[in-house]
Amino acid sequence: DGGITQSPKYLFRKEGQNVTLSCEQNLNHDAMYWYRQDPGQGLRLIYYSQIVNDFQKGDIAEGYSVSREKKESFPLTVTSAQKNPTAFYLCASSSQGLNTEAFFGQGTRLTVV
Amino acid sequence: KQEVTQIPAALSVPEGENLVLNCSFTDSAIYNLQWFRQDPGKGLTSLLLIQSSQREQTSGRLNASLDKSSGRSTLYIAASQPGDSATYLCAVTWVKAAGNKLTFGGGTRVLVKP
Repeated sequence: DGGITQSPKYLFRKEGQNVTLSCEQNLNHDAMYWYRQDPGQGLRLIYYSQIVNDFQKGDIAEGYSVSREKKESFPLTVTSAQKNPTAFYLCASSSQGLNTEAFFGQGTRLTVV
Repeated sequence: KQEVTQIPAALSVPEGENLVLNCSFTDSAIYNLQWFRQDPGKGLTSLLLIQSSQREQTSGRLNASLDKSSGRSTLYIAASQPGDSATYLCAVTWVKAAGNKLTFGGGTRVLVKP
């Protein structure tokens, strides 16, 4: 089945820890995105990548880092610099081009304990 | 500022009634608008994508219209069923957006009562 796989589904982070969220896609999409979803605030873009070995900051990149070493993979690291990391994180991908659908993974819920 | 708004935030209808969901956006220079469905605790499922040159798109019981000049899109769901209960989000790709990023509205949470 083609799609986007995010893991883990639930993640708990202690204060001061870095954690990494995984996102893998087998859709052969060039572009990948990370969004954060908070209650009542909709989705906000953290980082995006349009091609391997290149990525750009989104609207709320502070406290996060990413890498894009392979076309299929776009992991997100939530660093200790992110002061309010508890949220639902969604990864998406799309083909290059102006009118292509974005497809989303099932999300990772991160909670600070 | 480019913004997407969905009103109301929540909606409850009896089964069988048609659903009408609204989405408004502040800048008409868009590439496309996409409607998504989100079930609690789950990811987003793409429902329909309307290109800027299109007026509407249809898929089964779903019909989405687009009026760029007024900055509005409407998602119609005919003969609603309890299984249609979910949150519906619209998202816009603006012409000036870097990376073809999506800008989302806050969503409309729908409850279809049996």
